[in-house]
Amino acid sequence: ETGVTQTPRHLVMGMTNKKSLKCEQHLGHNAMYWYKQSAKKPLELMFVYSLEERVENNSVPSRFSPECPNSSHLFLHLHTLQPEDSALYLCASSQDATSYNEQFFGPGTRLTVL
Amino acid sequence: GENVEQHPSTLSVQEGDSAVIKCTYSDSASNYFPWYKQELGKGPQLIIDIRSNVGEKKDQRIAVTLNKTAKHFSLHITETQPEDSAVYFCAASIKNYGGSQGNLIFGKGTKLSVKP
Repeated sequence: ETGVTQTPRHLVMGMTNKKSLKCEQHLGHNAMYWYKQSAKKPLELMFVYSLEERVENNSVPSRFSPECPNSSHLFLHLHTLQPEDSALYLCASSQDATSYNEQFFGPGTRLTVL
Repeated sequence: GENVEQHPSTLSVQEGDSAVIKCTYSDSASNYFPWYKQELGKGPQLIIDIRSNVGEKKDQRIAVTLNKTAKHFSLHITETQPEDSAVYFCAASIKNYGGSQGNLIFGKGTKLSVKP
């Protein structure tokens, strides 16, 4: 285990639903990340939080809304998604958001949008 | 924008053979190059990394080489075993909000199959 957990592991939702993905890290890290992993595409960085403050938003549509209530927890709130948003959503954490820091990944949430 | 090219996309080897995966990057400021292994149903896990002030790094059967001039870096796995079968991703650091090389840009991955 990497020390990063994600729930749920699988999620199926309709385009009008609202759901949330949860990530928790038990490593005492100060930075947390959301990535999107689609088939045959590189991992795409979505958001970065450093000390609970959002510091990166890589042109992600507003239908994805992150929340970081404390340094151990990260949420991704989803609403009115599109079928092309179906993917594996990975959470990661690192000691901080500077260079040379290993990122520890959770197992991901497999999201299917119908 | 910055990108990382990774080749090949699939690689099949016999157990005991060597496997080599190659990546090129575009941002000359990149200074950290990790390699991740992703097994089925799991998230990526770091297996080895290298910094720009080093040309080669080895850890048992795994080695990484870096050519900063050519912007190339490669992963070498010797004496492959069936449990090495997985998807391998290379990555390069890029500038983040604070101006440090804190974000990563990933290659598309290489699916390695090791046949017994």
